[in-house]
Amino acid sequence: EVQLVESGGGLIQPGGSLRLSCAASGFTFSRHGMHWVRQAPGKGLVWVSRINDDGSSIIYADSVKGRFTISRDTGRNILYLQMNGLRDEDTAVYYCVRALAGTKVLDFWGQGTMVTVSS
Amino acid sequence: DIVMTQSPDSLAVSLGERATIDCKSSQSVLYRSNNQNYLAWYQQKPGQPPKLLIYWASTRDSGVPDRFSGSGSGTDFTLTISSLQAEDVAVYYCQQYLNTPLTFGGGTKVEIK
Repeated sequence: EVQLVESGGGLIQPGGSLRLSCAASGFTFSRHGMHWVRQAPGKGLVWVSRINDDGSSIIYADSVKGRFTISRDTGRNILYLQMNGLRDEDTAVYYCVRALAGTKVLDFWGQGTMVTVSS
Repeated sequence: DIVMTQSPDSLAVSLGERATIDCKSSQSVLYRSNNQNYLAWYQQKPGQPPKLLIYWASTRDSGVPDRFSGSGSGTDFTLTISSLQAEDVAVYYCQQYLNTPLTFGGGTKVEIK
């Protein structure tokens, strides 16, 4: 059974840092690109970042470029999102998402972890 | 960036009736080299993460009931639920994956009339 379990969310002050983790199981992690997608309370879906299967290609949304860093540990089957310089507008549920192999189709989503940026 | 626009924002349909959601992209998401439309549909039920329904504009994901169908090409796409069931109450999103940033429509909330 495919599982993606996010952790690391919480309440953080503006300007602070958090690192999100996503533990993957039930599939061959090294064969899939992985994404982070966020959803502010009551709002729609916004793509944040993507890392390809071997970690050699990384892309970010302009809104997080220079502040967020995506990475993966293929040996431990974990996806990360290091978030620095957090702003109020980063408040959202952050979903870890698997991509269908060889595509950017978001075929399996984790349950999400809530990040609240507030003083 | 490719802008995705969905309509309507919400709709109420009687059980067993057809529901139709439209999605328009600001530029074509048809990739000529493989003649594929890089367009997906997702369903998000209250309190749950999104679930992939359809990709390549018309390919149902594994386990998705055949009452869900996708159509369209280029810039204009449609998600159809042929006979609405109570469990289909959700917000539906279209998304393009031709270019990064990946972009989503604003969502369409489907309710029972």
